[in-house]
Amino acid sequence: NAGVMQNPRHLVRRRGQEARLRCSPMKGHSHVYWYRQLPEEGLKFMVYLQKENIIDESGMPKERFSAEFPKEGPSILRIQQVVRGDSAAYFCASSPAGEGYTFGSGTRLTVV
Amino acid sequence: AQSVTQLDSQVPVFEEAPVELRCNYSSSVSVYLFWYVQYPNQGLQLLLKYLSGSTLVKGINGFEAEFNKSQTSFHLRKPSVHISDTAEYFCAVSGSSNTGKLIFGQGTTLQVKP
Repeated sequence: NAGVMQNPRHLVRRRGQEARLRCSPMKGHSHVYWYRQLPEEGLKFMVYLQKENIIDESGMPKERFSAEFPKEGPSILRIQQVVRGDSAAYFCASSPAGEGYTFGSGTRLTVV
Repeated sequence: AQSVTQLDSQVPVFEEAPVELRCNYSSSVSVYLFWYVQYPNQGLQLLLKYLSGSTLVKGINGFEAEFNKSQTSFHLRKPSVHISDTAEYFCAVSGSSNTGKLIFGQGTTLQVKP
């Protein structure tokens, strides 16, 4: 049973480009969470999704950021028109209903 | 609103010595409490969690933590550390549903010296 798979592990984008981060939850997990870790800081909640639904997006920046978890395929975190301040590690976690999380290894985004 | 404070940003300790990493939380509702470890350039691994029941929780790698409701603390302890325990440790809290978001502390870097 593979863990939570995130790809790519490292992503470099120029300012103004789009970044797409993918997360495949563990088999049988229907809940997906995205967190961002800025340098020298703890993880900050961004969004919580279930299949085809956004449940809580209270941590998402109002502009340029979006997330989806389609019926088929991985969850996608999309950042449009990236800026240097978006450079961070982005972690995905998944859980079955009512139980604790499993985290992926993260995607480290560098904006140059 | 919930919050987590990890009182020490760095904790240096010699190998085989005991260690305590401190965590305090604030919440107006019942909480679940967690400790995670993060090795360099890796994701977070769950060390232990408190959901209910006994306030002394035992986790992996010889770690344990004690939930103290009156002091709103959940300190992490290990009686004898190894070099391999060098990592970043995060305390986190969630609401009692345990399916909601986690609020993380800023992290504590444990540096184990030979």
